[in-house]
Amino acid sequence: EAQVTQNPRYLITVTGKKLTVTCSQNMNHEYMSWYRQDPGLGLRQIYYSMNVEVTDKGDVPEGYKVSRKEKRNFPLILESPSPNQTSLYFCASGTGLSYGYTFGSGTRLTVV
Amino acid sequence: QKEVEQDPGPLSVPEGAIVSLNCTYSNSAFQYFMWYRQYSRKGPELLMYTYSSGNKEDGRFTAQVDKSSKYISLFIRDSQPSDSATYLCAMRGDNNDMRFGAGTRLTVKP
Repeated sequence: EAQVTQNPRYLITVTGKKLTVTCSQNMNHEYMSWYRQDPGLGLRQIYYSMNVEVTDKGDVPEGYKVSRKEKRNFPLILESPSPNQTSLYFCASGTGLSYGYTFGSGTRLTVV
Repeated sequence: QKEVEQDPGPLSVPEGAIVSLNCTYSNSAFQYFMWYRQYSRKGPELLMYTYSSGNKEDGRFTAQVDKSSKYISLFIRDSQPSDSATYLCAMRGDNNDMRFGAGTRLTVKP
């Protein structure tokens, strides 16, 4: 089944404790992206990657890091999480200039 | 002003009603327009897409784009309880910089 897999689905952590949210796609998509979704603000792009070893900042990159060492994986790293990073995070992938993206099921992160 | 504006609702309609969901935008470079449906505790899934102006129909769903007014719509005919979800509009220009609306929460009551 073609899909984008995120892990974990739910995570509660403490301020300052480094964490990684994994994202993997099995569709051989070049393009991958991370979004956060907050009430009233919709989906905001954090980082995106056009291909392996090519990453760029989205609209809200502060406090996040990414890497794209393999085509299928695009982990999101929070080096020192803070409470304002409490949110619902989605990974998405697509082919080049595809009309739409395939989204993962989301990771609900709470930073206390 | 946000680049994409979408009324967050919530919108509640009886089963069988026609639903109209709308977004306005400010960037005239947008050419590709999409609607996503997001069920609770799920990721958004692509529902419909259109290029430039015009209408597109798929079963009970019709997407309309009016580029002159910078206005897009999604109509749902004969709405069903299973249509209850949050609907997000999305759009982009000639790159992968996709912009999303905040989403409209729809409830269809039996």
